[in-house]
Amino acid sequence: DADVTQTPRNRITKTGKRIMLECSQTKGHDRMYWYRQDPGLGLRLIYYSFDVKDINKGEISDGYSVSRQAQAKFSLSLESAIPNQTALYFCATSDRGQGPAGYTFGSGTRLTVV
Amino acid sequence: GQSLEQPSEVTAVEGAIVQINCTYQTSGFYGLSWYQQHDGGAPTFLSYNGLDGLEETGRFSSFLSRSDSYGYLLLQELQMKDSASYFCAVPAAGGGNKLTFGTGTQLKVEL
Repeated sequence: DADVTQTPRNRITKTGKRIMLECSQTKGHDRMYWYRQDPGLGLRLIYYSFDVKDINKGEISDGYSVSRQAQAKFSLSLESAIPNQTALYFCATSDRGQGPAGYTFGSGTRLTVV
Repeated sequence: GQSLEQPSEVTAVEGAIVQINCTYQTSGFYGLSWYQQHDGGAPTFLSYNGLDGLEETGRFSSFLSRSDSYGYLLLQELQMKDSASYFCAVPAAGGGNKLTFGTGTQLKVEL
C-alpha cells in the first residue's frame, strides 16, 4: 500500500456540486497539506494541518474547506465546485524533524469541473 | 512575499549534463529543495541545500548561493527516464515545513 493514498484518482463533476477529496497516510506524520497544481503555476498550498486540532489556510483557500478526521486522514472539500477549480490536487505529509526531505506526496486527484 | 523563478523548459541529449537554475526572493531563508515530477505523477524529493555549496547524490547535484539568492540542480549522464518536471521550493513564511514552489522546469531528454 502507498504511504499517502488519495481518492478518487480522477473525478469529473458539475458546476455547483459539492465534492470531497480524501487523503489517508500510514507515515505517522503529524503534518498534512493540500496543494493544487495548475499547468505553468507549480504547486500552491490550499490548507495545512499540524495536528487534528490545528488547521490553517494556505495561499489559495477560498472556495475550499478541510477536515482532519484523525491523524491519518485529511479531506479537502469544494463546497460548490466551479470550472476554474479544475486542477490536479495533491495531498502531502511531512515529518516534524526532517524538513523538505521528509515530504511525501500522494499520487494526486485529477479533478475536472464542467 | 516569496517567489521563485525557473526556466520553463530545457532540452538535452542522453548522456549529457544539464543545469536547471532557480532564483528566489524570500523574506527569510531556510533552505532550497528540489523535487522531480514525472508527467501527472507525485512529486518526489531530490535534494536540499541549507548552506552554500554543492550537495551530491549520485547523478544529481544541487548548488546554493545564498548571497546571490540562486541555486541550481545539475543532472549528469542524462537518461531518458530523467525526462520530467523539476521544481525548486523554499519553506513558506510561518514555518511548519510549508513549501512555496517554483513554476517548474520541464526537462526533455532526447536521443
